[in-house]
Amino acid sequence: AQSVTQPDARVTVSEGASLQLRCKYSYFGTPYLFWYVQYPRQGLQLLLKYYPGDPVVQGVNGFEAEFSKSNSSFHLRKASVHWSDWAVYFCAVSMRWYNVLYFGSGTKLTVEP
Amino acid sequence: EAAVTQSPRSKVAVTGGKVTLSCHQTNNHDYMYWYRQDTGHGLRLIHYSYVADSTEKGDIPDGYKASRPSQENFSLILELASLSQTAVYFCASSGGQNNNQAPLFGEGTRLSVL
Repeated sequence: AQSVTQPDARVTVSEGASLQLRCKYSYFGTPYLFWYVQYPRQGLQLLLKYYPGDPVVQGVNGFEAEFSKSNSSFHLRKASVHWSDWAVYFCAVSMRWYNVLYFGSGTKLTVEP
Repeated sequence: EAAVTQSPRSKVAVTGGKVTLSCHQTNNHDYMYWYRQDTGHGLRLIHYSYVADSTEKGDIPDGYKASRPSQENFSLILELASLSQTAVYFCASSGGQNNNQAPLFGEGTRLSVL
């Protein structure tokens, strides 16, 4: 069965610093992977998606993620964090882009001035 | 603009009462989903639907029913609400095999059962 682990419940970074949020997945087959962001009291918004192909995918607002089959990982990165990035980030895996998503528990990002 | 609209946005219900959460999408998507989010946790799948008039059980269906009367509408029904069902509920839709868009989510419904 598919599952997602986000090992860091909370991450704090300084504004302007680089960011990596970790995601490990478990899936037998070719996964479709997603990063969503949730701002306070809002729904989930798609940051980026991986459909089998180029392992590095670009998303909105300067985010990117890299798929690694050997490490079963899909880590999210950003070169320079802005205060507006303060949110909860969810990694998710699916069998297809239109199928059920299985979510990690989320990483709460705090941005310090 | 693609949209998933949930109503109500928040609700307070009494234990043992009936609660209906509604979801409406204007995306012409075939697939719709109900997820539950508990504080400090990720989302878990309750029910989903691939086509109107048909629903499927997700990972945590106990205590919930779902209804898909049309392609655009998908409801989640709590016949006998319980304290443990206090959570935020999210509806999502996705287009199916011929639409490679990632699932779109609604704004959520915050349910408190007292």
